Amino acid sequence: KNEVEQSPQNLTAQEGEFITINCSYSVGISALHWLQQHPGGGIVSLFMLSSGKKKHGRLIATINIQEKHSSLHITASHPRDSAVYICAVNGRHRGSTLGRLYFGRGTQLTVWP
Amino acid sequence: NAGVTQTPKFQVLKTGQSMTLLCAQDMNHEYMYWYRQDPGMGLRLIHYSVGEGTTAKGEVPDGYNVSRLKKQNFLLGLESAAPSQTSVYFCASSYRTSGVGTQYFGPGTRLLVL
Repeated sequence: KNEVEQSPQNLTAQEGEFITINCSYSVGISALHWLQQHPGGGIVSLFMLSSGKKKHGRLIATINIQEKHSSLHITASHPRDSAVYICAVNGRHRGSTLGRLYFGRGTQLTVWP
Repeated sequence: NAGVTQTPKFQVLKTGQSMTLLCAQDMNHEYMYWYRQDPGMGLRLIHYSVGEGTTAKGEVPDGYNVSRLKKQNFLLGLESAAPSQTSVYFCASSYRTSGVGTQYFGPGTRLLVL
């Protein structure tokens, strides 16, 4: 079983729709990351959060530490949002200064005009 | 400021050949990482480095070696390539001393081993 589970695996939406991608994790964490991977392959970091909520433009990320769950929301979706969205967590790594990242398998989002 | 760069972008190898992938970052980051990405699987950590001259094994280290002789460079070596090493390889670097920080990714190297 993967330490980080994302749902759904694939998501199709019409332009303008509100989108939610979910992430659940089973390890103790120091932080949770949302990443975006475009069709060309490049990966960029969208958010790093350890509590509460962060907003950047039309993107909102929330985390509930007690429930070990995070959501990524996209408001007013646009075709340029089409990408793979990846959830990753920094595990608490006993005896090491590196909080290794555990990655989810990603959610493929396609937004149609 | 180029961020994280990787060379080469594409490579085709025959089984048994060797090669080195180069990762360079100009952000003065302490932490650097090598990942591989395979279809249907999340990114997996191969090796990482917490500073110049130090390296450590990640989740899937077998068949790979690494070196960090300079702070800005992290090299990934395949001594004897196997078809199972066909993958997309990503390098990343991180600015927090605990390793818990935003990771900046390179553009990736697509490797095909025949």
